[in-house]
Amino acid sequence: KQEVTQIPAALSVPEGENLVLNCSFTDSAIYNLQWFRQDPGKGLTSLLLIQSSQREQTSGRLNASLDKSSGRSTLYIAASQPGDSATYLCAVRLGSGGSNYKLTFGKGTLLTVNP
Amino acid sequence: GAGVSQSPRYKVAKRGQDVALRCDPISGHVSLFWYQQALGQGPEFLTYFQNEAQLDKSGLPSDRFFAERPEGSVSTLKIQRTQQEDSAVYLCASSLGPQRLAFAYEQYFGPGTRLTVT
Repeated sequence: KQEVTQIPAALSVPEGENLVLNCSFTDSAIYNLQWFRQDPGKGLTSLLLIQSSQREQTSGRLNASLDKSSGRSTLYIAASQPGDSATYLCAVRLGSGGSNYKLTFGKGTLLTVNP
Repeated sequence: GAGVSQSPRYKVAKRGQDVALRCDPISGHVSLFWYQQALGQGPEFLTYFQNEAQLDKSGLPSDRFFAERPEGSVSTLKIQRTQQEDSAVYLCASSLGPQRLAFAYEQYFGPGTRLTVT
């Protein structure tokens, strides 16, 4: 059974700092990996999706990397801003098996960026 | 265009009551998913529809949970005889195409319904 772990569970940084969020998964046979942002009382906003054949994806100040063989992904946020404060969730999609449509999520990292 | 919408946004139920949660997917989206997110946890898969067919209900926690999508658009998740452990945020997601391995469509999430059972 696929398990996804996110470290740290919570992170507090001053504004302007660069930071890294970590995600690991136990079954490396994934189809893709996705990073989401969740604000309190709101749904999930997709930030970056990395296909299994890709090594990284970039969007603005965000960069996500994927090392499928070692079961790891990182989300790098440059020059953090208070508006980046949210919970960041990592989710993987299996690449094989009959239920490959399911997303398996980690518990998330609660990020607080202090002005 | 409009995203995935869910109603109600908040629901408080007394233990033993039945509740119905509604999901309006993005127009034209074939696939629809329900996830349950307990406090401090990541979302967990409940069930999957392709059009009106419920192809996977393996994540439903008990036979008190029932989901339907009779016309292949709007979906309802019903929970009978609610228990305190049912308290969670229920997220609905939709995607454009069928979820075949060869071409995986991104899932778009709604804002969720926060259910509190007292």
